[in-house]
Amino acid sequence: SYGLTQEPSVSVSPGQTVTITCSGDALPMQNAYWYQQRPGQAPVLVIYRDTERPSGIPERFSGSSSGTTVTLTISGVQAEDEADYYCQSADSSGVYVVFGGGTKVTVL
Amino acid sequence: QLQLQESGPGLVKPSETLSLTCFVSGGSINSRLHYWSWVRQPPGKGLEWLGSIFSGGNSFYNPSLKTRVTMSVDTSKNQFFLNLTSVTAADTAIYYCARQRREPHFDFWGQGTLVTVSS
Repeated sequence: SYGLTQEPSVSVSPGQTVTITCSGDALPMQNAYWYQQRPGQAPVLVIYRDTERPSGIPERFSGSSSGTTVTLTISGVQAEDEADYYCQSADSSGVYVVFGGGTKVTVL
Repeated sequence: QLQLQESGPGLVKPSETLSLTCFVSGGSINSRLHYWSWVRQPPGKGLEWLGSIFSGGNSFYNPSLKTRVTMSVDTSKNQFFLNLTSVTAADTAIYYCARQRREPHFDFWGQGTLVTVSS
């Protein structure tokens, strides 16, 4: 079955920049979305349609896309950005939703 | 502001059926722009989409669970439902209901409810 691949974990110092990647064969055809999930909370959408930021999401969150890989970048990382981040897309039919395995971002 | 709230038993016995309700408030479930979905998360693990249903009844299920999952909707009560049959310990998870847009992504989530499968 179709899946999305993310790195399990990354670490970053406050004020630095961190990038998280998500790979999948259908990503050139389907938009990608990114969610932040803090411990004990429901996921929150931080990027939609590869690069768009919902209202209320800080400008330090940005997304990009190239071929079969999409990337979430957090610039000027703050302690509050420590969380799990999940990419999400659809299979080539656009019907079935798929999530990446998640990336744990640790702020040192 | 749209709000979703899951409700259902926190403990289900193996081989039985897990049944959950999602109450939607602050907006109508009878929307042409949205699907209504269930996503689960086993303790310490990642997110898994279970399926989505449109207010008219059209539904799509995760192929890996398709034979065990059924979703339904009651537009008169602004609620939608999840049934998962023949549960095992592997179905222990936090179950979230969420609003899904036509471009498949989720913009509103419930707080989640933990369902444990155990005898």
